[in-house]
Amino acid sequence: KNEVEQSPQNLTAQEGEFITINCSYSVGISALHWLQQHPGGGIVSLFMLSSGKKKHGRLIATINIQEKHSSLHITASHPRDSAVYICAPAKKSSGDKLTFGTGTRLAVRP
Amino acid sequence: GAGVSQSPSNKVTEKGKDVELRCDPISGHTALYWYRQRLGQGLEFLIYFQGNSAPDKSGLPSDRFSAERTGESVSTLTIQRTQQEDSAVYLCASNLLQGNTGELFFGEGSRLTVL
Repeated sequence: KNEVEQSPQNLTAQEGEFITINCSYSVGISALHWLQQHPGGGIVSLFMLSSGKKKHGRLIATINIQEKHSSLHITASHPRDSAVYICAPAKKSSGDKLTFGTGTRLAVRP
Repeated sequence: GAGVSQSPSNKVTEKGKDVELRCDPISGHTALYWYRQRLGQGLEFLIYFQGNSAPDKSGLPSDRFSAERTGESVSTLTIQRTQQEDSAVYLCASNLLQGNTGELFFGEGSRLTVL
């Protein structure tokens, strides 16, 4: 079983829809990162969180340490949100090395 | 610099040749990471430098791969006797805080094509 599981793997939404991407992990972590990779390949860090919830514009990330689960929400989705979203927990037992989910490919249609 | 800088952005080489990829992290960032992404696939960890600690080399796929970092500055990833399966985008990232508890900044990557 992978240490990090993301769902769904692929997601197509209509512009304006509320989107949720889920991440479950099986290891002890010090923090969890959500990354965004655009079609051109560049990777941007969206959030780094170790508890609770963070919000940035239309993006919200939550984490439940006890349940080993994190979610990324996008409100009022827009075609420019189309990208691959990657969950990356920092694994405590490996010196906080990042373990990557396989990513969720999001396509938002106008 | 303002961001993580990688060079070259593109490299085409012949099978069997050695290549060297460079990463300039954000000034002051103690942690530096190298990742590899093959076409259509996810990120694959290669190596992790954290301050003066011994680097975590557990992700290097073979002894043809090596990486160095001078203090808390530039890092080079060297691939000897390149093979076609080495073709990928090699990404570098850095962050400030110990471990991965700070925001990560990625470079644009070096796209390596081995013919």
